[in-house]
Amino acid sequence: DAGVIQSPRHEVTEMGQEVTLRCKPISGHNSLFWYRQTMMRGLELLIYFNNNVPIDDSGMPEDRFSAKMPNASFSTLKIQPSEPRDSAVYFCASSLQTSGRETQYFGPGTRLLVL
Amino acid sequence: QKEVEQNSGPLSVPEGAIASLNCTYSDRVSQSFFWYRQYSGKSPELIMSIYSNGDKEDGRFTAQLNKASQYVSLLIRDSQPSDSATYLCAVTGNNDMRFGAGTRLTVKP
Repeated sequence: DAGVIQSPRHEVTEMGQEVTLRCKPISGHNSLFWYRQTMMRGLELLIYFNNNVPIDDSGMPEDRFSAKMPNASFSTLKIQPSEPRDSAVYFCASSLQTSGRETQYFGPGTRLLVL
Repeated sequence: QKEVEQNSGPLSVPEGAIASLNCTYSDRVSQSFFWYRQYSGKSPELIMSIYSNGDKEDGRFTAQLNKASQYVSLLIRDSQPSDSATYLCAVTGNNDMRFGAGTRLTVKP
């Protein structure tokens, strides 16, 4: 299996622009997670989906952030408009949620820099 | 109080020594506990998972869990320079996973 795939790997944009991050989870996994990692705040859970349905989006910082999962093999995280404080590494992770003991597998991350 | 707490380090140990990493959590309903390793510029990768009180050993790694004390630890025996990384403690409960801030470990040759 190719693992969790994220694109782009790097993104540099200007403040005010729209940014779309993409994720393809591991085939067969039914849960997908979006995280943001910064030096100051560490690894933060933004939102997670189970069977394509958003379960908890309490970590989404504000209305500028939105996430969708139109099918089991694809998810997007959109920031509109972007701000310099959004600069971070964004990770997508997936798991097969069955007994509550599931392991999350992380993608390589997208390094976002907002100028 | 943070949900999952770790000493940020850096923790420095000589090659061949035992590295001890600690983590405490606040949610008593937490069910599963994980240790992830993250090299600089890379994504977290799972090292160990533990679900029951006691010790779990896997090669040079031993995870220890004490639910009464809400404490989980990771011991790395015979530390190698390649073990130098940030170690993240993660705890699941209520259908989500919460991470600690991570402990940066440096193993000096």
